[in-house]
Amino acid sequence: EIVLTQSPATLSLSPGERATLSCRASQSVSSYLAWYQQKPGQAPRLLIYDASNRATGIPARFSGSGSGTDFTLTISSLEPEDFAVYYCQQRNNWPITFGQGTRLEIK
Amino acid sequence: QVQLVESGGGVVQPGRSLRLSCAASEFTFRSSEMHWVRQAPGKGLEWVACISYDGSNKYYADSVRGRFTISRDNSKNTLYLQMNSLRGEDTAVYYCARESGFTFDSWGQGTLVTVSS
Repeated sequence: EIVLTQSPATLSLSPGERATLSCRASQSVSSYLAWYQQKPGQAPRLLIYDASNRATGIPARFSGSGSGTDFTLTISSLEPEDFAVYYCQQRNNWPITFGQGTRLEIK
Repeated sequence: QVQLVESGGGVVQPGRSLRLSCAASEFTFRSSEMHWVRQAPGKGLEWVACISYDGSNKYYADSVRGRFTISRDNSKNTLYLQMNSLRGEDTAVYYCARESGFTFDSWGQGTLVTVSS
C-alpha cells in the first residue's frame, strides 16, 4: 500500500498570504495524484487531478505540481473561504489511498 | 449538477448489519464507476470499495473485504453498500463518490454510521 505523508499537519497563515502544502508518497505514483478541500460538515471537493490539472470551477489561485513521490499544492493568495483541510490522494496503485490531511487555519 | 444522496445510516450494535444506499441523478449513472469512501469522526478519508459501471468488477479495502459488499442497480440509478459483522472501527461518515479517472469528482453529503452497544 502506498502511504501518502502530508506536511505540515497544520499551517497557520493570514488572508492574502501564499500557502504551500506538501504530499510525499512512499513510492512513485507517477502523476496520478489529486488534491481535495474539505470544510467542516461538508464532503470533500476535488481541486486538482493528475498532479497539476484544476478541476472544473476551481479558481486559478489553486495550483498543483510534482511527479513521482513529491507533490505540492499552492494557493497563491489566500481568501477567507480557503481555510479548510486539504487531502492528497493517489490512484497509481491499489488500494487508492489518501494522505492524513493538512489543516489550513487563519493566523 | 451531479447529485448523490446517501441514506441508510444510523446506530447499530457490533456484529449487526446495515445497508447504505446512494441515489444518483443528473448524470449517466450506468456509465460511471462508483466508490464508497468513509471518514471516522475527526479523522481522515479512507477508501472503502468501488464497482465498475456494469457491476462486473468490485474492489475492496482490506479492512472491509469479506464483510462489506458493494452493488448497484442501474435501472434505479442507485449504489449500495451492504455492511455485515460491523465493528466499532466502522463508525464513520460514509460518502458515495463518482469516479473520473480514479479521482472523485462528485461526492454525496454522507451518511453517519455509528457502531455501538
